[in-house]
Amino acid sequence: NAGVTQTPKFRILKIGQSMTLQCTQDMNHNYMYWYRQDPGMGLKLIYYSVGAGITDKGEVPNGYNVSRSTTEDFPLRLELAAPSQTSVYFCASSYSMLRRNQSTDTQYFGPGTRLTVL
Amino acid sequence: GESVGLHLPTLSVQEGDNSIINCAYSNSASDYFIWYKQESGKGPQFIIDIRSNMDKRQGQRVTVLLNKTVKHLSLQIAATQPGDSAVYFCADGASGSARQLTFGSGTQLTVLP
Repeated sequence: NAGVTQTPKFRILKIGQSMTLQCTQDMNHNYMYWYRQDPGMGLKLIYYSVGAGITDKGEVPNGYNVSRSTTEDFPLRLELAAPSQTSVYFCASSYSMLRRNQSTDTQYFGPGTRLTVL
Repeated sequence: GESVGLHLPTLSVQEGDNSIINCAYSNSASDYFIWYKQESGKGPQFIIDIRSNMDKRQGQRVTVLLNKTVKHLSLQIAATQPGDSAVYFCADGASGSARQLTFGSGTQLTVLP
């Protein structure tokens, strides 16, 4: 399994441009997440999805949109890029199911997309 | 809002010594706790996790301790190696929250030769 893959690895945008960050997982996970990580900081949740066709806002959703048409894919859309969106973006997935004394909630992360908005 | 915080932003240890990284959380509803390791330029990598019905869990060279009374967890790394140098994040989550995790800001662990 490739796990969680993200494209592109790097991107430079001009203010006002738009782009889509791609995320794909091949682990048949039902939950998927988008985070951003600013320098020296932890991860902040942008959007998440509990299954195909279902998405919801996280802590910092403004300026972003997502869709989940398949189990495997969870793209993140920036419509009007702003300098404040300069960050590293991580996609993650997990298979959430309750099992006695076992955790199946582990989120597995992709390698990230480094985005700079100038 | 609720937050997960780390006591120390940086930690330096001698190779071969044991490392202890501490973390405080504030959400009393949290029932799942996880540690991630992040090397420079890479995504977070799962290390170990623990549920609130346990107070200790061991993995290979790592142990996580959970003290629910004071809302504190720690990551112990035995016989620290140069490859352990990285930023370590704790995170917590609560049932019924779509397994959203709240991350701390991280501790930079540096292993000295």
